[in-house]
Amino acid sequence: AQSVTQPDIHITVSEGASLELRCNYSYGATPYLFWYVQSPGQGLQLLLKYFSGDTLVQGIKGFEAEFKRSQSSFNLRKPSVHWSDAAEYFCAVRAYGGATNKLIFGTGTLLAVQP
Amino acid sequence: KAGVTQTPRYLIKTRGQQVTLSCSPISGHRSVSWYQQTPGQGLQFLFEYFSETQRNKGNFPGRFSGRQFSNSRSEMNVSTLELGDSALYLCASSASNRGLWETQYFGPGTRLLVL
Repeated sequence: AQSVTQPDIHITVSEGASLELRCNYSYGATPYLFWYVQSPGQGLQLLLKYFSGDTLVQGIKGFEAEFKRSQSSFNLRKPSVHWSDAAEYFCAVRAYGGATNKLIFGTGTLLAVQP
Repeated sequence: KAGVTQTPRYLIKTRGQQVTLSCSPISGHRSVSWYQQTPGQGLQFLFEYFSETQRNKGNFPGRFSGRQFSNSRSEMNVSTLELGDSALYLCASSASNRGLWETQYFGPGTRLLVL
């Protein structure tokens, strides 16, 4: 069955430090992968997506992610974290098969940023 | 373009009551999906509508239902509310002009509290 694993429930980084959030997926074919961010009390905002092609994907707010098929991973990175990046981050994969927009989400990683 | 809008933003109900939540997709979008977000279960897919037809359904009891109107606006209804239905309900829309999968954009959610 398709699934997404985010191994880190909570991460704390210092402002200005680099960030990497991990995401592993289980999928039978080429996955469509996404990273969303959720600020407290808000909906989900799309950061970036991977469908095919270049495995390094650029997103909004200075984020990027790299698709590694051999490792079944799609890790999110940012070279220098800002205090406003504190939020919860969700990795998701599109469900397989047919015409569906169903997304399967990981459990999320809560990012705290220290001054 | 205006984003996905959801009404109401907050709702308090008591057990046994029913509730109807509304979602207006981005103009021109024809697919609307609903998700339930709880601290214990995370983000779970409820159902998806495309061109007024339910295209996919998650593993939720029949108390959860939805519909889509000709203008693509969607409603979801929960009957006989239980305490465990307290959650943030998120709506997402995508263009899906050819019935195919496309990137989903989320609304701010409706927070439902069942007492």
